[in-house]
Amino acid sequence: AQSVTQLGSHVSVSEGALVLLRCNYSSSVPPYLFWYVQYPNQGLQLLLKYTSAATLVKGINGFEAEFKKSETSFHLTKPSAHMSDATEYFCAVSEGGSNFGNEKLTFGTGTRLTIIP
Amino acid sequence: GAGVSQSPSNKVTEKGKDVELRCDPISGHTALYWYRQSLGQGLEFLIYFQGNSAPDKSGLPSDRFSAERTGGSVSTLTIQRTQQEDSAVYLCASSLGSSGGGAETQYFGPGTRLLVL
Repeated sequence: AQSVTQLGSHVSVSEGALVLLRCNYSSSVPPYLFWYVQYPNQGLQLLLKYTSAATLVKGINGFEAEFKKSETSFHLTKPSAHMSDATEYFCAVSEGGSNFGNEKLTFGTGTRLTIIP
Repeated sequence: GAGVSQSPSNKVTEKGKDVELRCDPISGHTALYWYRQSLGQGLEFLIYFQGNSAPDKSGLPSDRFSAERTGGSVSTLTIQRTQQEDSAVYLCASSLGSSGGGAETQYFGPGTRLLVL
């Protein structure tokens, strides 16, 4: 079984400040990890993913995340927050390997990011 | 290119009625997923299709929920005898389905917002 914990359902940062959204996972097998963003009344859009290649993953809109196996973490960061970053972010995990049937995503409860002007 | 589309975008129904939700995946994507997003339960996996088969339907909450996929393309999610707790946003996603395991990016539609009165 796999699970994801997102610490902090709400995070506020000042415009131009560092964004840090926390995600910890639990998985019995090496995981694949994802960060998705959701804008109001829209579906989820992939920001970045880790699939066992480089542990530091760069995504769209200046976001990046680092897979740390020893800490079971996959925190999302952005050096300088922009007003347009204000929305909800979801961390998700799927089971690693190449067997069909392991494709489902298990999501965290989400973090709502607010940017203070 | 066209993304995942879902219809209707909004559906209001009375308790006890049946509803059908439709998903059109990205052309050429053989894998299709249904998720549910609700305030109380967050984002939950419902069912996964590879082609017209459903190797993982472990997330369907009750036998009132069923889904089918025809021609390896369009999928419908049917909820029979709707209950108020079925009120949620139902999200559909698709991926290439060319490799097993959970590494593929899932592309999400905008969702169907279901309200059961």
